Amino acid sequence: NAGVTQTPKFRILKIGQSMTLQCTQDMNHNYMYWYRQDPGMGLKLIYYSVGAGITDKGEVPNGYNVSRSTTEDFPLRLELAAPSQTSVYFCASSPEPGQGLLYTIYFGEGSWLTVV
Amino acid sequence: DAKTTQPNSMESNEEEPVHLPCNHSTISGTDYIHWYRQLPSQGPEYVIHGLTSNVNNRMASLAIAEDRKSSTLILHRATLRDAAVYYCILRRRRNQFYFGTGTSLTVIP
Repeated sequence: NAGVTQTPKFRILKIGQSMTLQCTQDMNHNYMYWYRQDPGMGLKLIYYSVGAGITDKGEVPNGYNVSRSTTEDFPLRLELAAPSQTSVYFCASSPEPGQGLLYTIYFGEGSWLTVV
Repeated sequence: DAKTTQPNSMESNEEEPVHLPCNHSTISGTDYIHWYRQLPSQGPEYVIHGLTSNVNNRMASLAIAEDRKSSTLILHRATLRDAAVYYCILRRRRNQFYFGTGTSLTVIP
């Protein structure tokens, strides 16, 4: 029962460095999402995808890029890390309406990123 | 914007019912109302969802106002394990889920 798997779990980046947060799901869900959560705050949608080859911006896309070459994978790229990107990042997926018995969103365990 | 408004925090005594309110005055006819909760250092987990009618499951009940501009999550008997941040969310077209700041529930033994 893997569900949504994110790596790495923890990472410290220096300002200006780049990195990719990996996300994969094994539930054959068409929809995938990336959220960030700052301390004491709710989740903000960064990017989402409705299927392989299709991505769209959420509420806070600046400073990030995504790609969706397969149904399973949805990596999030930080090109020039800034302290404002220090946050917890959650990847999630959801099925199409009618695709699953329970139509809802499933989250990974989170990736803690610190930019210094 | 799919905005919901919730109280920042609430308290409940253990074994008592808890009613967590949510306002969503901008809801459209096709928006589903979802509730999730988040335990410390974990990703959010699904609690319940509905469209127009009240819903019950093993975790909670969801009461939806007739005009759908508000809803209430009901935990029938709060336990210490229910202490979490509860998010009320509107699921919009293309399955976009927008989270607000949520309600932090404290359960008092």
